[in-house]
Amino acid sequence: DGGITQSPKYLFRKEGQNVTLSCEQNLNHDAMYWYRQDPGQGLRLIYYSQIVNDFQKGDIAEGYSVSREKKESFPLTVTSAQKNPTAFYLCASSFRTAAYEQYFGPGTRLTVT
Amino acid sequence: GQNIDQPTEMTATEGAIVQINCTYQTSGFNGLFWYQQHAGEAPTFLSYNVLDGLEEKGRFSSFLSRSKGYSYLLLKELQMKDSASYLCAVRGGYGGSQGNLIFGKGTKLSVKP
Repeated sequence: DGGITQSPKYLFRKEGQNVTLSCEQNLNHDAMYWYRQDPGQGLRLIYYSQIVNDFQKGDIAEGYSVSREKKESFPLTVTSAQKNPTAFYLCASSFRTAAYEQYFGPGTRLTVT
Repeated sequence: GQNIDQPTEMTATEGAIVQINCTYQTSGFNGLFWYQQHAGEAPTFLSYNVLDGLEEKGRFSSFLSRSKGYSYLLLKELQMKDSASYLCAVRGGYGGSQGNLIFGKGTKLSVKP
């Protein structure tokens, strides 16, 4: 079955620790995205990648980093510099950035205490 | 600036019809998307409009007026499982970050028996 997987579903970390969220897709999509969702807020774009070995900052990139070494994978690292890391993180992909729709993974809920 | 507005919450009765409105002001326009998101889950694609008019897909229809910066999602024959948040998202113009989606905050729909 084709799709996007994110792991883990729930993640708990202590303040000051970096944490990496996994995102894998087997849809053969070129573009991948990371969003953050907070209660009462729309999805906000953190980083996106249109092609392997290239990525761009979104609207709220500070305190986050990404890599795109393989077409299938786009991991997100939440660093200790991110002031409010507790959130629901969603990964998405699309065939092209100009494609009609983005497909979303199931999300990772990160709690930092 | 770029802005997408939709009502925060709506309530409707099972079997009824509900219309969820979305107004947008963006620097470019290359399509409007509606997504459904159940609590704690990934958004799933419902509809896409790029030209003015109505797109019908089963119980769901979506309308777009580009001149008015306005769209609505119409849900007919409401079912309890339609209780979810409905996200309106606009894609800006082609090229670079302009192809990315800008999301509204979502409308939480509660369907009552």
